[in-house]
Amino acid sequence: DVKVTQSSRYLVKRTGEKVFLECVQDMDHENMFWYRQDPGLGLRLIYFSYDVKMKEKGDIPEGYSVSREKKERFSLILESASTNQTSMYLCATTSRQVNQETQYFGPGTRLLVL
Amino acid sequence: TQLLEQSPQFLSIQEGENLTVYCNSSSVFSSLQWYRQEPGEGPVLLVTVVTGGEVKKLKRLTFQFGDARKDSSLHITAAQPGDTGLYLCAGASPRAYKYIFGTGTRLKVLA
Repeated sequence: DVKVTQSSRYLVKRTGEKVFLECVQDMDHENMFWYRQDPGLGLRLIYFSYDVKMKEKGDIPEGYSVSREKKERFSLILESASTNQTSMYLCATTSRQVNQETQYFGPGTRLLVL
Repeated sequence: TQLLEQSPQFLSIQEGENLTVYCNSSSVFSSLQWYRQEPGEGPVLLVTVVTGGEVKKLKRLTFQFGDARKDSSLHITAAQPGDTGLYLCAGASPRAYKYIFGTGTRLKVLA
């Protein structure tokens, strides 16, 4: 059974704090993604990684950074959290051939920045 | 920027009714996926369509990919309360590794 886990289901942080969201997958997939999901906006891609230590900006990378030191782990970092980063954060993985491949999602982390 | 518009945004129907959800774009996609997401969970894949005009059935759900591969529809026959959820379409960008997600359709089926 495939598994994508995220470090926290709910998180409350204060403005200016550094926030780490972790995603771990056990499927040996090369590609990993971080999205944020907001009502009426669907899922928007923040960053993705197609290999260890490789990363590419998605559509909304501002205010975020990522780290992929090991194949199974992809971390999203909010350097200085702001209230407009309150959102649901979803991690996903696919194998190298993206077309026709399933994206496997984690359960999400609901982040509230006060 | 590629965009996928879904309609309707919200839908509340009685058990047993039929419904159709639309996913439209001005861009061509190499494949398109439909997901369902339940509260507190990540999206789960329902189907992938690849060929223009393709029709796929999953029990009471029928998915169609437009001939030009720019749009898709999801038709549910005799909806059940268990169909309640957020339905998302996602198009595979010609650029590798990337999917564009639609805005979502929130469906509620009342018993």
